[in-house]
Amino acid sequence: GESVGLHLPTLSVQEGDNSIINCAYSNSASDYFIWYKQESGKGPQFIIDIRSNMDKRQGQRVTVLLNKTVKHLSLQIAATQPGDSAVYFCAENTPDSWGKFQFGAGTQVVVTP
Amino acid sequence: GAVVSQHPSWVICKSGTSVKIECRSLDFQATTMFWYRQFPKQSLMLMATSNEGSKATYEQGVEKDKFLINHASLTLSTLTVTSAHPEDSSFYICSARDLLAGGHTGELFFGEGSRLTVL
Repeated sequence: GESVGLHLPTLSVQEGDNSIINCAYSNSASDYFIWYKQESGKGPQFIIDIRSNMDKRQGQRVTVLLNKTVKHLSLQIAATQPGDSAVYFCAENTPDSWGKFQFGAGTQVVVTP
Repeated sequence: GAVVSQHPSWVICKSGTSVKIECRSLDFQATTMFWYRQFPKQSLMLMATSNEGSKATYEQGVEKDKFLINHASLTLSTLTVTSAHPEDSSFYICSARDLLAGGHTGELFFGEGSRLTVL
C-alpha cells in the first residue's frame, strides 16, 4: 500500500469545482474497494464502493473508477462543497478476509470558497 | 442505517492504568467486529478481529496481552488497553459486520471512534 507518513497529502479545491482523489492499492487479489470520508475526530463514513468486476460506479455527486491493471482507484466528487472538506481514504479487501480492510494513507481535501 | 456505538468517545488516563472501550451494534447482531487504531495524521491500521464466542485474532505486531478483546455477545465487543502508556494514545475505531445486509458478505459499519490520551 501507500506509505504512511506524518503529513497527509492535501488537495485544495475551489467550491463548485470537481475533485479527483487518487489511490494506489497494494494487493492484486483485492476484489472489493470502498471510499471513506473522515471528518476530524469522527469515524469513517461510507461514500461509495466498487467490486473488481466493475471499472466504474456512480453515486450521488461521486464516481469511483477502478483500474485493476495498474491497481489504481480514484474518487471523483462533482461540484465540491464546503461540507466535502475531510480526509478521504480508500480501503481494499480480499475475498478470504472479508471485513479486514486495508486502508490507504488518506488525502486531506480542503474546499476553499 | 445500522449504527455502531463506541463508549467512551474520549478518555484520559494515567500511565499504568487499564482502559476499556466498548463497541456496540445497536440494531443488528454482529458475529464479527474489527478494531482499528489511528494515530494523528495517519491512516487506520487494523489491530484485530473480534469473534463472538471465540478468541480474537490479532494482526502481526499487535500484542494480544496488551490489547485484550472480548466479544461476549452478538452486540458487544470490548477492547481493554492494559497498563497503558503514552505511546498507546491514539484514536481507536471499531467496525461491525451486519450479516443480514449486503448479501452473503454482509455490510460493514464503523463506530465514531474513541480517543485515548495517556498521561
